Amino acid sequence: EPEVTQTPSHQVTQMGQEVILRCVPISNHLYFYWYRQILGQKVEFLVSFYNNEISEKSEIFDDQFSVERPDGSNFTLKIRSTKLEDSAMYFCASSEDHNSPLHFGNGTRLTVT
Amino acid sequence: AQSVTQLDSQVPVFEEAPVELRCNYSSSVSVYLFWYVQYPNQGLQLLLKYLSGSTLVKGINGFEAEFNKSQTSFHLRKPSVHISDTAEYFCAVSENSGYALNFGKGTSLLVTP
Repeated sequence: EPEVTQTPSHQVTQMGQEVILRCVPISNHLYFYWYRQILGQKVEFLVSFYNNEISEKSEIFDDQFSVERPDGSNFTLKIRSTKLEDSAMYFCASSEDHNSPLHFGNGTRLTVT
Repeated sequence: AQSVTQLDSQVPVFEEAPVELRCNYSSSVSVYLFWYVQYPNQGLQLLLKYLSGSTLVKGINGFEAEFNKSQTSFHLRKPSVHISDTAEYFCAVSENSGYALNFGKGTSLLVTP
């Protein structure tokens, strides 16, 4: 069964550094998403992306965050200047269309020191 | 605005016993409801969904859930659990069947022999 893949599985970075989290969605899916889960808290929606533009974003997704689909297969989340509170598990997801359920990757654990 | 409440943070249960994981939601509009499971060190996997139609929804691994509009609930049940069902279970709601899922805090199901 096709799956969403995320790399790396664990990323450690220093506060103030830029970090890029990478995702390869399922190939025929058209909608892409990022969610995050701070340790001990609920999974939170960050952003959805369709047709090469952001379709919806949450209050968490401020100017420090950006997303990009640089080619036909990758979907990236960039955090420009990481803060300690950005430490979390970041999940990428994709769906075939906006009526289809989301398929999630295994996540990237980001640790900001 | 939507919200999701999972009333139990942890549910311990013996193998082969029945289990119910509770989920309540609030929303001013019609919603779509989901249950996701997260096994250790893995991503979120869709268990089942309610979009419309029959209020009793059957999912994978023998799980089912019933949508109760008057009680604004979507409780997850399984008549006989296995050790392998040990995982974190998340209830989620969306105003669309796809993106911007609003997750509950999760319920940790621990099945012991």
